[in-house]
Amino acid sequence: DAGITQSPRHKVTETGTPVTLRCHQTENHRYMYWYRQDPGHGLRLIHYSYGVKDTDKGEVSDGYSVSRSKTEDFLLTLESATSSQTSVYFCAISESIAGRNEQFFGPGTRLTVL
Amino acid sequence: AQTVTQSQPEMSVQEAETVTLSCTYDTSESDYYLFWYKQPPSRQMILVIRQEAYKQQNATENRFSVNFQKAAKSFSLKISDSQLGDAAMYFCAYRSATDSWGKLQFGAGTQVVVTP
Repeated sequence: DAGITQSPRHKVTETGTPVTLRCHQTENHRYMYWYRQDPGHGLRLIHYSYGVKDTDKGEVSDGYSVSRSKTEDFLLTLESATSSQTSVYFCAISESIAGRNEQFFGPGTRLTVL
Repeated sequence: AQTVTQSQPEMSVQEAETVTLSCTYDTSESDYYLFWYKQPPSRQMILVIRQEAYKQQNATENRFSVNFQKAAKSFSLKISDSQLGDAAMYFCAYRSATDSWGKLQFGAGTQVVVTP
């Protein structure tokens, strides 16, 4: 499972509150990603990171920020949650296997914004 | 930007039968990778199969095989001898070979229902 955990696994919050989702990996992978999954859209990239303090925006980054102060942790923050951010959030890492880069995903976090 | 299209929101198949999921993509690049991921009710994303664009031979993993048509920009997944455990959402994904970040572009998904 590439040693990826996400916390919390479920969260219900109210509009306007800040929310932080955590992705933790134990195998020192440099590349990490945050995606959101919504019906009819598949998974869409929010932010990604190459290493500590090296992050960039993805396709749907508005309303989200990230931080990576340690290799093993990649945090996704919703500064002021909105109902449109109700979604399932996946963290992923990229791992080289037999010379090929593959992405492996965490178990996901279901976030509901009321 | 590349787009990935899965035109079948849901497909139904009987146990032991074969089902084919379609995926088309739009790109101007010649070197890229294509993937099929499976997402069962547990929500875990599982890599099923991958295809390198420079390889003409279609990838196969046990009961899963692909039909890669580069000129048509088509990448279909065939599930043979379907089993109840194959019931899941299946996502097609694209990755550029020149993207050092390895970002994936996903289709909307196809729900596979397996009936006894």
